[in-house]
Amino acid sequence: DQQVKQNSPSLSVQEGRISILNCDYTNSMFDYFLWYKKYPAEGPTFLISISSIKDKNEDGRFTVFLNKSAKHLSLHIVPSQPGDSAVYFCAASGGATNKLIFGTGTLLAVQP
Amino acid sequence: DGGITQSPKYLFRKEGQNVTLSCEQNLNHDAMYWYRQDPGQGLRLIYYSQIVNDFQKGDIAEGYSVSREKKESFPLTVTSAQKNPTAFYLCASSHRGLGTGELFFGEGSRLTVL
Repeated sequence: DQQVKQNSPSLSVQEGRISILNCDYTNSMFDYFLWYKKYPAEGPTFLISISSIKDKNEDGRFTVFLNKSAKHLSLHIVPSQPGDSAVYFCAASGGATNKLIFGTGTLLAVQP
Repeated sequence: DGGITQSPKYLFRKEGQNVTLSCEQNLNHDAMYWYRQDPGQGLRLIYYSQIVNDFQKGDIAEGYSVSREKKESFPLTVTSAQKNPTAFYLCASSHRGLGTGELFFGEGSRLTVL
């Protein structure tokens, strides 16, 4: 049972344009959400997070939006740069076990 | 530099052999974790420890064992009972407890069973 879903395995965007990565979750007890970025053969690095009491959090070029009623969050990268090319994982925690549950990842390719 | 060190980066093992992956952190974090990454499956939690001398099974603990004798160290043993051990293994730590803060990851260890 995949509690955190990233339905797009890959996304290709032109440099300078907006990248929008999506994530859906099923557990209504989740109250904290994070995005991680991962390059090949390296560990993921934390990018941005949002708690369920907010619907938006912004950090430079990165903005995360949370729609609790739809159980959906998205990561916007504006403007996209070639160095943003990586796999992006969304993750969620909360509820009885409070474990961090990861999605399957979306490979973003930013074309120069 | 503060961080998490995993070793070895690449490891080959014959079927039936146990292997231990090392994870050391100097971030003074209380909680440590082991995840496994397989293509198309994201990161799955194997074991976690929120305090020294205590650890709990994650979602896919079968065939694995861990110890937490020191705050800085959380080694993972992949035993011969693990049916499909070839994977990329990631160790992580966090300042606070489970699910309450960001995780800091090591660079990973790729295990290949021949």
